[in-house]
Amino acid sequence: EAGVTQSPTHLIKTRGQQATLRCSPISGHTSVYWYQQALGLGLQFLLWYDEGEERNRGNFPPRFSGRQFPNYSSELNVNALELEDSALYLCASSFGTSRPDTQYFGPGTRLTVL
Amino acid sequence: TQLLEQSPQFLSIQEGENLTVYCNSSSVFSSLQWYRQEPGEGPVLLVTVVTGGEVKKLKRLTFQFGDARKDSSLHITAAQPGDTGLYLCAGGGIMDSNYQLIWGAGTKLIIKP
Repeated sequence: EAGVTQSPTHLIKTRGQQATLRCSPISGHTSVYWYQQALGLGLQFLLWYDEGEERNRGNFPPRFSGRQFPNYSSELNVNALELEDSALYLCASSFGTSRPDTQYFGPGTRLTVL
Repeated sequence: TQLLEQSPQFLSIQEGENLTVYCNSSSVFSSLQWYRQEPGEGPVLLVTVVTGGEVKKLKRLTFQFGDARKDSSLHITAAQPGDTGLYLCAGGGIMDSNYQLIWGAGTKLIIKP
């Protein structure tokens, strides 16, 4: 069974540009979560989507947004990139609101803002 | 604001030693998970505990959920270099009318051969 996949692996942007990160959940999972992880630190929750709807949002500015598609894959968009947005962005999936605490993670996208 | 405090933040020990990592909160959780993350990779789920006082073992790793479901510990016996990584705990439950998963800041563990 394929795990959570994310693309691209690495992304280099400059300040002010926009970044789009993609995630495909494990087959059968309906929930997708996005996290930001600064270098070697803990996870900061960004967004939770389930069945195409945003279920919860972390304490991030509106320039962080996303969506979930009918096939449950998801996109994270970051507009007007700032230097401090440089981080590992992790996507996780779960069986949905019935078991949202058992999350399986992808390898992440390393975003570097220059 | 719910917080999940992990301690220690950093631990470097010799192969063969034992260690314990703690995860504490003032909030009650319906479940608590432990993850391990290696550099450049996503966290990997090690265990989920849901019952107060529950103890789970995974080879040399022993996980315990506190009786009041506010805290948890991870004990590693005879640590090996392969145990090196960032250990994260996460507590789940309904908070502020919404389901939330609260993450600890992590314990960076280095096992020296």
